[in-house]
Amino acid sequence: DIQMTQSPSALSASVGDRVTITCQASQDIKMNLNWYQQKPGKGPNLLIYGASSLHTGVPSRFSASGSGAHFTFTIGSLRPEDIATYYCQQYDNLPYAFGQGTKLGI
Amino acid sequence: QVQLVQSGAEVKKPGASVNISCKASGYTFTKDAIHWLRQAPGQRPEWLGWINPATGNTKYSQKFQGRVTISRDTSATTAYVEVSSLRSEDTAVYYCARGGIPLWALWGQGTLVTVSS
Repeated sequence: DIQMTQSPSALSASVGDRVTITCQASQDIKMNLNWYQQKPGKGPNLLIYGASSLHTGVPSRFSASGSGAHFTFTIGSLRPEDIATYYCQQYDNLPYAFGQGTKLGI
Repeated sequence: QVQLVQSGAEVKKPGASVNISCKASGYTFTKDAIHWLRQAPGQRPEWLGWINPATGNTKYSQKFQGRVTISRDTSATTAYVEVSSLRSEDTAVYYCARGGIPLWALWGQGTLVTVSS
């Protein structure tokens, strides 16, 4: 099974900061990676698919890049409503798997 | 309105089974797979399996093979997941999510399953 590892596991930042999260796969997953935002008591919300494509309606301050086994996710200018846990998730091979999450706080 | 609506919370005793439904509306039900995932408290989401609503074909995570059964009723545009031989570790929020491109852009609201004696 493919293992997904995110770093950091938790992050504290200020409004307006640029925030970057990294995700590493245990093997080449090409660009078959999604990024999700999850707020307490809610299900995951798709932000980025195909490693770098912004999902419909997602603000442009969110971006991502990478391919193969190394990926990054960036919030260009942090807003208070961005406080959440962020997950990467591979869909190259079954079983589809998530990283352990990055809890973002202010 | 395109949505997936799941059945309500369940409380079950160890060893019992639970059946959760996921009703699709606003799109052609047979067009895309329905996936089932779960998320235990404080944990990352975990994929259970998926079903092709058009054919009924299923694929399961090896971890849950034999204990999870996914089915569908095309006339009711509803998918189901049954989890048997429940144990305390199965306490989680269970989600259905729509396949297709992009994958998992649409999720149900989640169903809390609590396993407790």
